[in-house]
Amino acid sequence: DAKTTQPPSMDCAEGRAANLPCNHSTISGNEYVYWYRQIHSQGPQYIIHGLKNNETNEMASLIITEDRKSSTLILPHATLRDTAVYYCIAYFAYSGAGSYQLTFGKGTKLSVIP
Amino acid sequence: EAQVTQNPRYLITVTGKKLTVTCSQNMNHEYMSWYRQDPGLGLRQIYYSMNVEVTDKGDVPEGYKVSRKEKRNFPLILESPSPNQTSLYFCASSYGGVPYFGPGTRLTVT
Repeated sequence: DAKTTQPPSMDCAEGRAANLPCNHSTISGNEYVYWYRQIHSQGPQYIIHGLKNNETNEMASLIITEDRKSSTLILPHATLRDTAVYYCIAYFAYSGAGSYQLTFGKGTKLSVIP
Repeated sequence: EAQVTQNPRYLITVTGKKLTVTCSQNMNHEYMSWYRQDPGLGLRQIYYSMNVEVTDKGDVPEGYKVSRKEKRNFPLILESPSPNQTSLYFCASSYGGVPYFGPGTRLTVT
């Protein structure tokens, strides 16, 4: 799996958009970009994933650059409950037999400030 | 509700006393795996299973065993726990797409 690079920490004011960057310059054509977050010591929570098109769901938006070398996770209106470590993972998920292992890096610790 | 459950959530045990951490999922997923999380080392995969009776080692399998006799369950077995297995353990299940993680089991071996 491609290595990803994220800033170790970020702050965001409550109510503002949180934009979390991720660099994955060595990503291969069949690797998706997945985002998870971990609140304190809870199980990692899936947020969103995408291959090359931008994606949006009820939690967040994912913007992937055209060359797929980087992406940004956007939490549109950050709340205190969004304070967590956010992981960006380049992941090859193949259908049928199942998915390959996730490789978690150190992630970005997002602190949402009142 | 789709979920992955683990039991127990917290466990303190002594060196050498065999233990099992159970993992169960109700999503009919074929793929399940176990991870451990340690400070500064992130999440590391211990074992994974592609389907019933199909298991394989992850990055840190030493000291652990698993079994997959039925699709919904994937127990993690520590035959002779040692203090270096003190960690936070997560089970995950997925089908060709999104892995979903359980709530975690915090294990302390004294």
